[in-house]
Amino acid sequence: GIQVEQSPPDLILQEGANSTLRCNFSDSVNNLQWFHQNPWGQLINLFYIPSGTKQNGRLSATTVATERYSLLYISSSQTTDSGVYFCAVERLFRDSNYQLIWGAGTKLIIKP
Amino acid sequence: GAGVSQSPSNKVTEKGKDVELRCDPISGHTALYWYRQSLGQGLEFLIYFQGNSAPDKSGLPSDRFSAERTGGSVSTLTIQRTQQEDSAVYLCASSLESTYEQYFGPGTRLTVT
Repeated sequence: GIQVEQSPPDLILQEGANSTLRCNFSDSVNNLQWFHQNPWGQLINLFYIPSGTKQNGRLSATTVATERYSLLYISSSQTTDSGVYFCAVERLFRDSNYQLIWGAGTKLIIKP
Repeated sequence: GAGVSQSPSNKVTEKGKDVELRCDPISGHTALYWYRQSLGQGLEFLIYFQGNSAPDKSGLPSDRFSAERTGGSVSTLTIQRTQQEDSAVYLCASSLESTYEQYFGPGTRLTVT
């Protein structure tokens, strides 16, 4: 099956720093999503990005489907950015059913 | 608008008891997913409902786990004869259709003592 690898597994930064999180996947996928899980466990959609680049405020994401990776950029990080960032790729499971295959996440801690 | 809701938010049960977890998806979303997340781990897919089609149960870890979705809306995940290894956060997500963005509920934290 498809393997999804995220790096780094852990990242500790000072407030105001920039960061890049990476997601590699082992096979062609239908789509890719980035999620942020806050320290209270809530999962929030960040980007739905099969290819190209999207931006939302201080966050942006780029997926290069032909090279099987995606990057999440966080600029001018704030303490509220702390949490775990998950990448999940969508694959056709059977017939028209799609499943999300999840990476293990990158745990980000932003220190004030 | 209202997001995905789950209840209860926390459940403590004794080993061997049955539990039911509820998920109310976003209105109009035809796809509904259940996941499990153990402490410090990623998400583990359990089961998927799409409209009136037969559910995809490929992720259920044992026959003690079952789920149903009534009227294409609310879903209930049932765990029979709970074991300590069932302790985890159970997350529900819904999406407009199977290939659209998934939106997650706050989860139910299950602790089996």
